[in-house]
Amino acid sequence: GDSVTQTEGQVALSEEDFLTIHCNYSASGYPTLFWYVQYPGEGPQLLFRASRDKEKGSSRGFEATYDKGTTSFHLRKASVQESDSAVYYCALSDQQGTGSKLSFGKGAKLTVSP
Amino acid sequence: EAAVTQSPRNKVTVTGGNVTLSCRQTNSHNYMYWYRQDTGHGLRLIHYSYGAGNLQIGDVPDGYKATRTTQEDFFLLLELASPSQTSLYFCASSENWGDYAEQFFGPGTRLTVL
Repeated sequence: GDSVTQTEGQVALSEEDFLTIHCNYSASGYPTLFWYVQYPGEGPQLLFRASRDKEKGSSRGFEATYDKGTTSFHLRKASVQESDSAVYYCALSDQQGTGSKLSFGKGAKLTVSP
Repeated sequence: EAAVTQSPRNKVTVTGGNVTLSCRQTNSHNYMYWYRQDTGHGLRLIHYSYGAGNLQIGDVPDGYKATRTTQEDFFLLLELASPSQTSLYFCASSENWGDYAEQFFGPGTRLTVL
């Protein structure tokens, strides 16, 4: 079935560093791609999404571009802050019959030091 | 903004015990979901529902039952709890089921099975 691969399990950065978290997907159709963020003690929340090739999603200084050619949706931020420390999940909508469900990657825990 | 609440927030039980986790959403969303979150696995879908009385099987349903009694309330039942079900459980809801649907998550219930 459709799936998402996140290679970084843990990412440790200092404030103002550049962030990249990789996300690659495998899908038979044309899925919508999502980034969710989970702050400590909370449930995940949507960061942004993209549904077509070359579409850029963005929010709070984070961005990712849907690339159908490389099947990727990498998360980037130019200058991270300590408040960005959280777990980041890449997900895709997985078409099944008349509906769809979300398939999540394993998540990347970002720790930003002051 | 969507409001999803879960109870209890923490639960400890013994092997073979009977546990019910509760979820309520107050935004009249049609779809509700139960996930478990484990290190190295991310979020995995247990069951979901698109309305009162409806239940659909997710990706990891073994050992779990669920029931949607009203549009607002969705319960997860572990009738013979096992240590492998020690996990952080999240409930979520969404207005619809399409590719673009945003899921709103509750704060989670941490379950420990001794």
